[in-house]
Amino acid sequence: QVQLVQSGAEVKKPGASVKVSCKASGYNFNDYYIHWLRQAPGQGLEWMGWINPNNGGTMYAQKFQGRVTMTRDTSINTAYMELSRLRSDDTAMFYCAKDWLSGYYTDYWGQGTLVTVSS
Amino acid sequence: DIQMTQSPSSLPASVGDRVIITCRASQGISAYLAWYQQKPGKVPKLLIYAASTLQSGVPSRFSGSGSGTDFALIISSLQPEDVATYYCQQYNSVPHTFGGGTKVQI
Repeated sequence: QVQLVQSGAEVKKPGASVKVSCKASGYNFNDYYIHWLRQAPGQGLEWMGWINPNNGGTMYAQKFQGRVTMTRDTSINTAYMELSRLRSDDTAMFYCAKDWLSGYYTDYWGQGTLVTVSS
Repeated sequence: DIQMTQSPSSLPASVGDRVIITCRASQGISAYLAWYQQKPGKVPKLLIYAASTLQSGVPSRFSGSGSGTDFALIISSLQPEDVATYYCQQYNSVPHTFGGGTKVQI
């Protein structure tokens, strides 16, 4: 069965960076894009971008351009999302999610990683 | 960016009610629309894609309609386990924007 398992909660200071991992299993990792999304406490969902595990190609929401980097390691079926220059309003639950194919909707989600930014 | 506007933001209803949530896109998105359900404290779950196609395993009381700019999620007979926040998302173009959510309460 498809599973996406994310790394654990993080607490970071303003200005720092955070790197969240997402380990996939139960399907061919290379064949389906991975999306990253976030949800601030009590707020709605926000799409951050995707990565094509096959070639490492990425597409980022303009809001995050210059601060976000999405990478992958195909040898261990794991995708990563790094967000830099953290601010307090970056405090959120971050999710990875498997695309139906390539740049469409998402059909399986990770359990989420809570990132808290606080001085 | 395409703006997605959901209404209402909050929807009190009774068990057995027919519930309709609407989602409007700021420009045409064909049928590139998905609906997600997020129960309190849980991960979002895909309900419907391509505006009207039910994801495998989703109860048939859920349905979707629409194309272009106007869409709807319909729950034909509300059940207690349907208490959740529902989000629409367009995937016609990046960024894949979400509506603000509709909180359905019994």
